[in-house]
Amino acid sequence: EDQVTQSPEALRLQEGESSSLNCSYTVSGLRGLFWYRQDPGKGPEFLFTLYSAGEEKEKERLKATLTKKESFLHITAPKPEDSATYLCAVQASGGSYIPTFGRGTSLIVHP
Amino acid sequence: DGGITQSPKYLFRKEGQNVTLSCEQNLNHDAMYWYRQDPGQGLRLIYYSQIVNDFQKGDIAEGYSVSREKKESFPLTVTSAQKNPTAFYLCASSPISGSLYEQYFGPGTRLTVT
Repeated sequence: EDQVTQSPEALRLQEGESSSLNCSYTVSGLRGLFWYRQDPGKGPEFLFTLYSAGEEKEKERLKATLTKKESFLHITAPKPEDSATYLCAVQASGGSYIPTFGRGTSLIVHP
Repeated sequence: DGGITQSPKYLFRKEGQNVTLSCEQNLNHDAMYWYRQDPGQGLRLIYYSQIVNDFQKGDIAEGYSVSREKKESFPLTVTSAQKNPTAFYLCASSPISGSLYEQYFGPGTRLTVT
């Protein structure tokens, strides 16, 4: 069974304090890994897709990286508007095309 | 603008009543999905559909029903048989051509049943 574990569950940062969120996964074969941002009371917003180990994607203060067993979402010099829940999902190769989601990391950035 | 719309944003119902949540997409995606999101539980798949007039149960389909009469529309009915219907419901769509199926989500409907 495919599994996705995100850590920490919650993270509080001061504005400008860089950090990383972790997404560990267990799949028989990885087809793709997705990162989403979700604001309270809203639907998840797609951020990145990573396909293979060693790949990196960047968007503003966010950078996603991928290894064979985990992905990191690095947040550089965060601002209060980066506060949100960040979700990770994996799509396995073969079988169902339905992604498996982690439970998310709730990030709060204090001014 | 292309996207996914869900209506209404908030919905209130009395226990014992069926209620239908709307989901429409104009992204020309073949696949559509319904998820339920509860605090601390992440996203749980209710139903999904890959093609018109066909759909499959997800992990928590009991007490729910769907239809897919048009490619653009995938309404979800929460029936009186659903024991804990109060939740945040999310609709998503994705392409299924190629090798990756990135999902795009609607804004969600918060259902409260009393």
